[in-house]
This record gives sequence, C-alpha cells and structure tokens, in this order.
Amino acid sequence: AQRVTQPEKLLSVFKGAPVELKCNYSYSGSPELFWYVQYSRQRLQLLLRHISRESIKGFTADLNKGETSFHLKKPFAQEEDSAMYYCALISTGNQFYFGTGTSLTVIP
Amino acid sequence: DAGVTQSPTHLIKTRGQQVTLRCSPKSGHDTVSWYQQALGQGPQFIFQYYEEEERQRGNFPDRFSGHQFPNYSSELNVNALLLGDSALYLCASSLEGGNDEKLFFGSGTQLSVL
Repeated sequence: AQRVTQPEKLLSVFKGAPVELKCNYSYSGSPELFWYVQYSRQRLQLLLRHISRESIKGFTADLNKGETSFHLKKPFAQEEDSAMYYCALISTGNQFYFGTGTSLTVIP
Repeated sequence: DAGVTQSPTHLIKTRGQQVTLRCSPKSGHDTVSWYQQALGQGPQFIFQYYEEEERQRGNFPDRFSGHQFPNYSSELNVNALLLGDSALYLCASSLEGGNDEKLFFGSGTQLSVL
C-alpha cells in the first residue's frame, strides 16, 4: 500500500543553520515524489518534484530508492522558510498521497 | 488567472445535514481532485473527476459524492453529516496529459459540523 511518512511534526532551526525535513515512503512501483509547502495564510503549493531535479528557493531533495526516502534539505535556513511542508507521492492513477506534514520554524 | 477558486470559504452545519462545496479549476485545467484535511493531518484524497466522471476514489464512504460540469467546475456533496466530517476541504486542479503532475490547490472550504 502507498504511504508517506514524515516523522517530525515540528522542527525548529536557527537562521543560517542547515535544515533537513525527513520523508519516507512505501510504494510498490516506481514512485514520483513531491514536496508541497504552505506558508502562513497561503494555499498549498508545489515546492519541487524529484523528476525535475531542480533546486527551488535553495531547497533540494534526492530520491533514495534503497532507503525509500525523499528528504528535503537546505544548507542555510532563512526566516521566510518557516512554513508547513508536506511530502507527497503520486500513484499510477494520478492519486496523490500526502504525509502528515512538518511544521518548520526558523528562529532569527 | 484567478487560479483554483472554492466556495464558500467557511461553512457551519449540524449533524445529519447535507452540504455542497464548489470548485472552479485553474484556467486550462480539466481534472479536479478533492481532498479532506483534518486538523493536524495531511490532505486525504477523496476522489478525482475527469470528463465529468469519477475516475479515482479514495477510502471515503458513499456519503461523499461529486460532480463535474462541462466547464470543468466541480461540486463535492456530503450527506448525513457527522461530527468527524469537520475539516478543511481542498480542491486541486491539473491538466490530464500535461507535461508535469502539478496540482494547483484552492484555498479550501472550512466545514464545521456541530
């Protein structure tokens, strides 16, 4: 069965420190994984997807099939990175499965 | 482009009542998905509509039903409301066969069942 696990509900880091938001998944096929972000009082929006292998706002995420992980990383956290982050995978039926989310707070 | 729009933004109902939520997809999108987001949880897939038909369905009872209109807009209906139906209901649109799998989300309808 498809499942996305984000083990940390809350994460706090100091400005300028590295940040890593963990995501693990279970999926029988070849997964497509995404990170969505929700800033305060804004709608959920796509941050990045593993297929594009791009860096958005300094964030990167590498798909590790051996560890079934898709952790989100940024070397130097900024205050504007404070938000709710959701890891998600898409099934062959175009159905998205979301994790429970991690609330990131960057302390000035 | 207004993106995905949902109405109403907030709704209060009592147990046993019925509710209809509405969604207009992003311009150019033809597929609409509905998600339920309970407090402290990630969005849970309810169902997806394409070409006016339900194409995929998550693990939700038949009390949850929907519709898609020729202009691609969609409605979510919930009958016999339960207290546990209180949640944020999100609509997301996408383009079938598009070059990416982006979901564009609306701001949601906050449903409170008393």
